[in-house]
Amino acid sequence: QVQVVQSGAEVKKPGSSVKVSCKASGDTFNSNAVSWVRQAPGQGLEWVGGIIPMLGTTYSAQQFHGRVTITADKLPSTAYMELRGLTSEDTAVYYCARHGGYRPLSYPLDSWGQGTLIIVSS
Amino acid sequence: DIQLTQSPSFLSASVGDRVTITCRASQDTSTYLAWYQQRPGRAPKLLIYAASTLQSGVPSRFSGGGSGTEFTLTISSLQPEDFATYYCQQVNSYPLTFGGGTKVEIK
Repeated sequence: QVQVVQSGAEVKKPGSSVKVSCKASGDTFNSNAVSWVRQAPGQGLEWVGGIIPMLGTTYSAQQFHGRVTITADKLPSTAYMELRGLTSEDTAVYYCARHGGYRPLSYPLDSWGQGTLIIVSS
Repeated sequence: DIQLTQSPSFLSASVGDRVTITCRASQDTSTYLAWYQQRPGRAPKLLIYAASTLQSGVPSRFSGGGSGTEFTLTISSLQPEDFATYYCQQVNSYPLTFGGGTKVEIK
């Protein structure tokens, strides 16, 4: 069973940036794609974007274009999501999750981190 | 973008009931559809992928079906631990999208 552990909760000011990390057991991020999914309080799940670590290729939802950077380190097997220009609407739990294959397309999210609460408040 | 519409958005049922949740896609997603369960305060958990394949370790009372634009998740006999919110997700095209969720509560 793959374990995915994320960094801790943060409180940020509007206009600032946040970088969340996500570490997987073993070297699973070397062969499996990773996505970030967020969930605003009381709301549903929203895909932020993903990365194919072995290629460095990234994808993101249109509403995050230019504001999100997703990266991955091979050793240790860690993924990162940086979100810039934070507003109160970015307040949410951000999940990192591993896809069951090398790319986000075709493969579901089979291992999830515990989530990282990001609060944006002045 | 492919929009996923789940119905119902809320479902009240009793232990032992058979329940079915529907997910309709705005475009053909073939069988690139997954179902997740989320309990309060927890991360989502993969139940079904490729529309009908049961994830390892998931009880057999869960089943999925459909292809193209209409999909179903069925729980054959609802158990106390099944009261949660269920989401469908398409992995057929970017951006990946989720349905709005179906909350299953105890009657």
